[in-house]
Amino acid sequence: DQQVKQNSPSLSVQEGRISILNCDYTNSMFDYFLWYKKYPAEGPTFLISISSIKDKNEDGRFTVFLNKSAKHLSLHIVPSQPGDSAVYFCAASQGGSEKLVFGKGTKLTVNP
Amino acid sequence: ETGVTQSPTHLIKTRGQQVTLRCSSQSGHNTVSWYQQALGQGPQFIFQYYREEENGRGNFPPRFSGLQFPNYSSELNVNALELDDSALYLCASSRLGGGANVLSFGAGSRLTVL
Repeated sequence: DQQVKQNSPSLSVQEGRISILNCDYTNSMFDYFLWYKKYPAEGPTFLISISSIKDKNEDGRFTVFLNKSAKHLSLHIVPSQPGDSAVYFCAASQGGSEKLVFGKGTKLTVNP
Repeated sequence: ETGVTQSPTHLIKTRGQQVTLRCSSQSGHNTVSWYQQALGQGPQFIFQYYREEENGRGNFPPRFSGLQFPNYSSELNVNALELDDSALYLCASSRLGGGANVLSFGAGSRLTVL
């Protein structure tokens, strides 16, 4: 049973436009959510996170939105750049644990 | 600051064999976690080590075992390899209590079981 779901395996956007990556979760005990970016042949790198006590967190071009009632979060990248092309993983944890539950990832391609 | 390094980067084994994967933690970190990423899937938590002892385990059989050494480096051992063990194995280090957002991942060891 997949507790964290990323239903879009891939997304393609034009440079300068907004990229929106979505993630759903089923476990209501999750209280901390993260987005990781992964380039080929590299490990995942932390991008942005949000606690369940917030509904939005922003860091530069990246904003994460959390809708607890819908058990849904999304990552917005504005404006998108070709260097953002990577696989993006949504992850969740509970109680401050460093045990992360990951989604399957969404491959983002930003076209020049 | 030295990041997480893993070895080997690639290896091929046959079914039934045993494998050892190695990980050097990022400097200043005292915990190590291992994740398995099968093709087309997200990373799946195997276990975490802190103070040389297992500190949490995911849904993996006992033939997956680990070690953490006094210098915080770590090994992942898998016995009686099965075809489904073919995956990218990721090591991540952190400081216990530092929060999940400080996890640093290595580039992984890609294991192919034939």
